[in-house]
Amino acid sequence: NAGVTQTPKFQVLKTGQSMTLQCAQDMNHEYMSWYRQDPGMGLRLIHYSVGAGITDQGEVPNGYNVSRSTTEDFPLRLLSAAPSQTSVYFCASSYSRVLPLHFGNGTRLTVT
Amino acid sequence: AQKVTQAQTEISVVEKEDVTLDCVYETRDTTYYLFWYKQPPSGELVFLIRRNSFDEQNEISGRYSWNFQKSTSSFNFTITASQVVDSAVYFCALKNNAGNMLTFGGGTRLMVKP
Repeated sequence: NAGVTQTPKFQVLKTGQSMTLQCAQDMNHEYMSWYRQDPGMGLRLIHYSVGAGITDQGEVPNGYNVSRSTTEDFPLRLLSAAPSQTSVYFCASSYSRVLPLHFGNGTRLTVT
Repeated sequence: AQKVTQAQTEISVVEKEDVTLDCVYETRDTTYYLFWYKQPPSGELVFLIRRNSFDEQNEISGRYSWNFQKSTSSFNFTITASQVVDSAVYFCALKNNAGNMLTFGGGTRLMVKP
């Protein structure tokens, strides 16, 4: 049982490049979400999904896209990276939206 | 709107001291859930506790205890006889029953020195 798996662990992008952060969970959780962590600001919700085919925006969605074609996977896409997107990204999942989140180990992204 | 404030950005204690991490929240909902997470230096986020708004009973788990007071909108976390392994960033978070957003406080970095 791997839990929530995020890849890659580290990534460096140049401004304007695109990339996809991968997230997969093997717990059959319906609820999945992406957060970014910046110093002093805690974690802020980017996008979330309450089930396959259903996604919605969180607090800071600009510059990011998501899709949920399966229950297991919830990739986060940066279409044109900007230095303001330098952050640590966490994917999380839970059985329901009021139960505790299970977090992946994070992806540290640097945009130069 | 919902908001979580952790006013203490950094706390430093010596091992075996007791330490309390403060968490104050704002919400208009009557039904909500409060959480604490720990982020050790390795970076992962570890769930510690969930409390719903109808349960004001304090909880103790080993050296950890939580004091939930609706009258002051606070959900404070106390570590008794702190240890070096308690050194981490601790996050308080709030989830309203309606809606899908878990709102985090800014975190408190706890440093326990030997």
